[in-house]
Amino acid sequence: DGGITQSPKYLFRKEGQNVTLSCEQNLNHDAMYWYRQDPGQGLRLIYYSQIVNDFQKGDIAEGYSVSREKKESFPLTVTSAQKNPTAFYLCASSPIYTGIGELFFGEGSRLTVL
Amino acid sequence: GENVEQHPSTLSVQEGDSAVIKCTYSDSASNYFPWYKQELGKRPQLIIDIRSNVGEKKDQRIAVTLNKTAKHFSLHITETQPEDSAVYFCAASLSGGYQKVTFGTGTKLQVIP
Repeated sequence: DGGITQSPKYLFRKEGQNVTLSCEQNLNHDAMYWYRQDPGQGLRLIYYSQIVNDFQKGDIAEGYSVSREKKESFPLTVTSAQKNPTAFYLCASSPIYTGIGELFFGEGSRLTVL
Repeated sequence: GENVEQHPSTLSVQEGDSAVIKCTYSDSASNYFPWYKQELGKRPQLIIDIRSNVGEKKDQRIAVTLNKTAKHFSLHITETQPEDSAVYFCAASLSGGYQKVTFGTGTKLQVIP
């Protein structure tokens, strides 16, 4: 069953702790993205990657880190430096050079900082 | 960088009426404009997209128009149904989805039966 899998779906974290959100895709897409969704603010880009071992900062990268060691995986770490980490996080992927511009989203991970 | 503005933030229509959502973008180099629908508690999904070499595109009850000169594009939903109730996002990017995609802030559409 092809798609993007995010885990965990819900996550609680104490202040000062780092937390890593998982994103795995079996669509053979080259590009992967992390978005943050807050009420009334739409989807804001945190990081994106077009190829293994390379990634670029989006609009709100401060306090976040990513890695792209495998084509299928693009984990996001929310560090203690992120001042307001409570949010809904969406991972997405897309093909490259196929003319298909669609982003395919995972079901999201909701992070709550206690 | 690209900036996408979307209006209105909320929209209520009677079932059967039309709904129009408008977006403007700032980067004249952007050439791909998708629209996503996000139902409550679900992931965003593409409903229609348009490229800068096309002025209008239709798919059954939905259509998108693009004015490159004015740098704005709109989503039109005709004969609205309760299942159209959702949050709709416009977006803009350069050369398709593998580049940085900038989203608007979303429009919550409520279709009243």
